[in-house]
Amino acid sequence: AQSVTQLGSHVSVSEGALVLLRCNYSSSVPPYLFWYVQYPNQGLQLLLKYTSAATLVKGINGFEAEFKKSETSFHLTKPSAHMSDAAEYFCAVSPPGTYKYIFGTGTRLKVLA
Amino acid sequence: DADVTQTPRNRITKTGKRIMLECSQTKGHDRMYWYRQDPGLGLRLIYYSFDVKDINKGEISDGYSVSRQAQAKFSLSLESAIPNQTALYFCATRSLGTETGELFFGEGSRLTVL
Repeated sequence: AQSVTQLGSHVSVSEGALVLLRCNYSSSVPPYLFWYVQYPNQGLQLLLKYTSAATLVKGINGFEAEFKKSETSFHLTKPSAHMSDAAEYFCAVSPPGTYKYIFGTGTRLKVLA
Repeated sequence: DADVTQTPRNRITKTGKRIMLECSQTKGHDRMYWYRQDPGLGLRLIYYSFDVKDINKGEISDGYSVSRQAQAKFSLSLESAIPNQTALYFCATRSLGTETGELFFGEGSRLTVL
């Protein structure tokens, strides 16, 4: 069965520091992978997605993620955190040929001034 | 206006009451989903629908029912609300045309059952 693990329910970084949010998946075949962001009192919006093209995926707001099949990982990074990046981030997988989206439990990012 | 609109945005009700959460979309998407979000649990799928005549249970459908009144409308009902159904509920849509398509979410409906 497919699953998603996000290490760290809460992550704090200083403004200007590197952001690294971890996501590992379990799947018998390489799935499609997504990162969503949820700002307070809003729905989720897509940051980026991996769909078996380039393994390094660039998204909105300076975020990127790298698909590593050998590590079954899809970690989200941003070189320099901004205060506006404070939000909750969700990793999700969708096995090819299915309707399903399996979400991780989320990581709340706090950016310290 | 939002592409995916949920009403109400906030609702407080009492145990045993019937509640309906409504979702409408202007994206023209075939697929619609209802998710529930609880702190520390992420999003869990309640029901999904591929078209008006195709409705399917998700992983946590007990205590819920849905209605797809039209391609653009998908309602979630709690026939007899209980406190552990207190949560943030999201409607989402996806285009049928692409397998790798993203989900588009509404802004959520926060339900509190006392």
